[in-house]
Amino acid sequence: EAQVTQNPRYLITVTGKKLTVTCSQNMNHEYMSWYRQDPGLGLRQIYYSMNVEVTDKGDVPEGYKVSRKEKRNFPLILESPSPNQTSLYFCASSLVGVEGTQYFGPGTRLLVL
Amino acid sequence: GQQLNQSPQSMFIQEGEDVSMNCTSSSIFNTWLWYKQDPGEGPVLLIALYKAGELTSNGRLTAQFGITRKDSFLNISASIPSDVGIYFCAGPTTTSGTYKYIFGTGTRLKVLA
Repeated sequence: EAQVTQNPRYLITVTGKKLTVTCSQNMNHEYMSWYRQDPGLGLRQIYYSMNVEVTDKGDVPEGYKVSRKEKRNFPLILESPSPNQTSLYFCASSLVGVEGTQYFGPGTRLLVL
Repeated sequence: GQQLNQSPQSMFIQEGEDVSMNCTSSSIFNTWLWYKQDPGEGPVLLIALYKAGELTSNGRLTAQFGITRKDSFLNISASIPSDVGIYFCAGPTTTSGTYKYIFGTGTRLKVLA
């Protein structure tokens, strides 16, 4: 089954404790992206990647890191989480050149105390 | 940065009624996308529009790409309970061969049986 998977689905952590949210897709997509969703603000893009070893900042990259060492994986790293990073996070993937047909993962709900 | 303004923010309607929502931008988009997010899930693409003036249907859903390229509309006819969710407009912005996505703040739809 074609899908984007994220882990963990739910995470409670404390300020300053490094964490990684994994994202994996099995559709051989070049384009992968991370979003955060906050009430009243919609979805905001954090980082995106056009292909392996190519990453770019979205609109809200501060406090986040990403890496793209393999085509299928695109982990999101929070080196020193803060309470304002409490949010619902989505990973998405698509083919390059077919703008719009992004497939989203199920989401990761993060609470930073 | 660029923003997409959606209206209304939320709406309660009776089952069987038609629904209209829109999305506006201060800058031009060459592609308009409409996504739906069911409760507890990631967004799913409903309709993609690639040409100014284009009118595209997907079942009971119809979307239009505004002539000015600064707006788009989504209509749902004869609403049913499973139409409940959040509807997002979105558009890619291109920079030096890469593209990132801007999402609207969403329209939350509730259908009363």
